[in-house]
Amino acid sequence: DVKVTQSSRYLVKRTGEKVFLECVQDMDHENMFWYRQDPGLGLRLIYFSYDVKMKEKGDIPEGYSVSREKKERFSLILESASTNQTSMYLCASSGGQGGNQPQHFGDGTRLSIL
Amino acid sequence: GEDVEQSLFLSVREGDSSVINCTYTDSSSTYLYWYKQEPGAGLQLLTYIFSNMDMKQDQRLTVLLNKKDKHLSLRIADTQTGDSAIYFCAEEPLYSSASKIIFGSGTRLSIRP
Repeated sequence: DVKVTQSSRYLVKRTGEKVFLECVQDMDHENMFWYRQDPGLGLRLIYFSYDVKMKEKGDIPEGYSVSREKKERFSLILESASTNQTSMYLCASSGGQGGNQPQHFGDGTRLSIL
Repeated sequence: GEDVEQSLFLSVREGDSSVINCTYTDSSSTYLYWYKQEPGAGLQLLTYIFSNMDMKQDQRLTVLLNKKDKHLSLRIADTQTGDSAIYFCAEEPLYSSASKIIFGSGTRLSIRP
């Protein structure tokens, strides 16, 4: 079974802090994704990566950056956290395109910025 | 542009069938997905359908696709309390890079006794 592990289930940080959210997958997937989930808005794509050191902006990249130094690990960075970044963050990975290569999700990190 | 729409809430009596509807805009979409999210968890893939199919059945789940109207539905037969969750519809456009998919806002299914 595919396993996508997010390092923290709950995280509380202060405004202005630099925050790192870590995600690791164990299936040698090329593609990895970071989403945020807010009530009534569904999932919105922040950034994705299709290979090591390769990244592309999603729909809402402002205030975020990412790092993919190794294939199995994809990190989301909040350079200077703000209260409007309080949200549920979901990481996903996939091996390619198509129904037999769907995205697999971690359990999420609920981040609160005070 | 790409957009996926679904109603936010559905309430169903235990034992009845649930039907969750979704509309999408990108006619090039190759795959359409249904994901389930239980409280406090990530998304779990329930089922998917390829765009050249009209219907797919998997135990209690039936997916219907009307490509002309860009309408997708998920029917859950004999709905149980364990089916309480948020259900997300998603499309994968033909030219999406890195299997990027577009999610709807999710339908919260609640079960009443």
